[in-house]
Formats: sequence, C-alpha cells, structure tokens
Amino acid sequence: GDSVTQMEGPVTLSEEAFLTINCTYTATGYPSLFWYVQYPGEGLQLLLKATKADDKGSNKGFEATYRKETTSFHLEKGSVQVSDSAVYFCALSGTGGSYIPTFGRGTSLIVHP
Amino acid sequence: DVKVTQSSRYLVKRTGEKVFLECVQDMDHENMFWYRQDPGLGLRLIYFSYDVKMKEKGDIPEGYSVSREKKERFSLILESASTNQTSMYLCASSLTGDNTEAFFGQGTRLTVV
Repeated sequence: GDSVTQMEGPVTLSEEAFLTINCTYTATGYPSLFWYVQYPGEGLQLLLKATKADDKGSNKGFEATYRKETTSFHLEKGSVQVSDSAVYFCALSGTGGSYIPTFGRGTSLIVHP
Repeated sequence: DVKVTQSSRYLVKRTGEKVFLECVQDMDHENMFWYRQDPGLGLRLIYFSYDVKMKEKGDIPEGYSVSREKKERFSLILESASTNQTSMYLCASSLTGDNTEAFFGQGTRLTVV
C-alpha cells in the first residue's frame, strides 16, 4: 500500500536558520503530494501542495518540489521564525482512484529565539 | 472558507460509557474522515465515508462505529469507552478529485478514566 516516511523529530533550530524536513513516499500511480502544518492545540491545515512531477508548491516562505525520480517532497524554508514552531505532516492522495490521504508520522519543529 | 467543526475540544468520559463525537462541515464535501492522533504514531484512519449512509473501515476501526445520516455530518461512536481510547480525535473532509486537500477540524481531546 501507499506510505509516507518523514524524518523523525524534533528538529530544533535557532531563528533565521535554514530548514529542511525530508519526506519520501511509496505509491502506485501518480499521487498528489501535500504538506500540512499543525500548530499547538489545533487541527491540521494545508501548507502547500504539488500535483505532478517537478511542480513546486510554496506558501509563507516554505517550498517543496515534487521529485518523481527520487519519490521525494522535502520541505524547505530559508529563514525560520519562532512562529513556525509546529508539527509538519507530509501526505499523499489520489492513487488508484482513492482520495484517502495517507500521512507521515509528523515532524516537530522547535524554533528558539 | 471551508469550516469543519467538531462539537467538543475536550471530553472526559468514564470507562464503559458510550461516547459520541460529532463533526460538521459546511462546504458540501463528499468525503469525511475520522483519525486519531497519538504521539509517535501520527494520524491513523479509523473510518471514512464517501457519501451519505456509506462508511468504510480504516486502519483501526475496532471499538468504534460511525454514522452519516446527512452529508454535512459525520459522527464517531465509541460503543464502550476504554482507557486505551484516550487520544486526540481529528475529523476531516474533502471533495472527490485527484488534487484536493483535506480540511480538518480543531480536534477533540478525549480522556477516558
């Protein structure tokens, strides 16, 4: 079945540091790929998405590129802020006619001033 | 804006009680989902529904049932609550389509004592 693997956290950074959170996937067909963010005490919300190979999703300074050849969708940000502290989930959907999202286990990001 | 509303943010129930978690979405989405979120395990799918009165088991349906009598409402039922069902429960909805994202409620933190 489909699966998503994320790097384990927590990831701890100082403000203005560069962020990378790795995500790889296994899927049949050509899924859409997503990053969701969960701020403390809240549900998940969409951060960005990409729907086909070589697409780049971007939002709030975060970026991720759909790499079919390496089955990856790594999340990056050039300069993190304390307010980016949250849990980040990589996800996929749309394989084999299924619209059920498959999520990674989440990566906690902690940004210190 | 799409809104997914869960009826309670926090619940405390006793072992053996029957527990109802309610979820309502206001954007006419066909698909609705119930997940539970536990530290280190990420999001695990309990049940999902493609349409009114239709339901399908997810990865961990044991001890749970669901009801979808109206398109906008998807209820999760714990038939006889147990302490191992203490968790964060997240409801989500989505349109049917290859590139659509899921929209989440705020979550219900359930404690069974």
